[in-house]
Amino acid sequence: AQSVTQPDIHITVSEGASLELRCNYSYGATPYLFWYVQSPGQGLQLLLKYFSGDTLVQGIKGFEAEFKRSQSSFNLRKPSVHWSDAAEYFCAVGAGYSSASKIIFGSGTRLSIRP
Amino acid sequence: DAGVTQSPTHLIKTRGQHVTLRCSPISGHKSVSWYQQVLGQGPQFIFQYYEKEERGRGNFPDRFSARQFPNYSSELNVNALLLGDSALYLCASSLGGLNTEAFFGQGTRLTVV
Repeated sequence: AQSVTQPDIHITVSEGASLELRCNYSYGATPYLFWYVQSPGQGLQLLLKYFSGDTLVQGIKGFEAEFKRSQSSFNLRKPSVHWSDAAEYFCAVGAGYSSASKIIFGSGTRLSIRP
Repeated sequence: DAGVTQSPTHLIKTRGQHVTLRCSPISGHKSVSWYQQVLGQGPQFIFQYYEKEERGRGNFPDRFSARQFPNYSSELNVNALLLGDSALYLCASSLGGLNTEAFFGQGTRLTVV
């Protein structure tokens, strides 16, 4: 069965420090992979997506992620975090007949920023 | 351009009641999906509709149902509400083809008391 694992429930980093959020997926075929961000009480905003091609993908707000098939991972990175990056981050895989038809989410990683 | 709009934004219902949540997709999008997000968890897939037909269903009881209208808007219905149905219900729309992305609305916060 398809699944997404985010092993870190909560991470705190200092403002200006680098960030890496971990994500592992389980999916039989070539996956559609996503990272979403959610501020408290809000909907989900897409940070970046991987469909095929270059395994290093760039997203909005300075985020990037690298698809590693051999490790079944899709970790999210940012070289220097800002206080406004504090939010909940969800890794997800598209598991339906199209990339957006049935998205399976991880349990999320809450990011806190230390001033 | 308007994004995905959901109504109402908040509502409170009593156990055993019925609720209808509404979603208007982005103009031109023919696919609508519904997700339930319980506090502290990731969203869980409930339904997907494309061109007014159900194309996917998650592991939810028959109390949950949905439909899509000719204008591609959608309703999610939940009967016989339980306390455990309290959650943020998210609607997402997409073009529906390969290599497309889902755009999420702000959600409807349902509280069952």
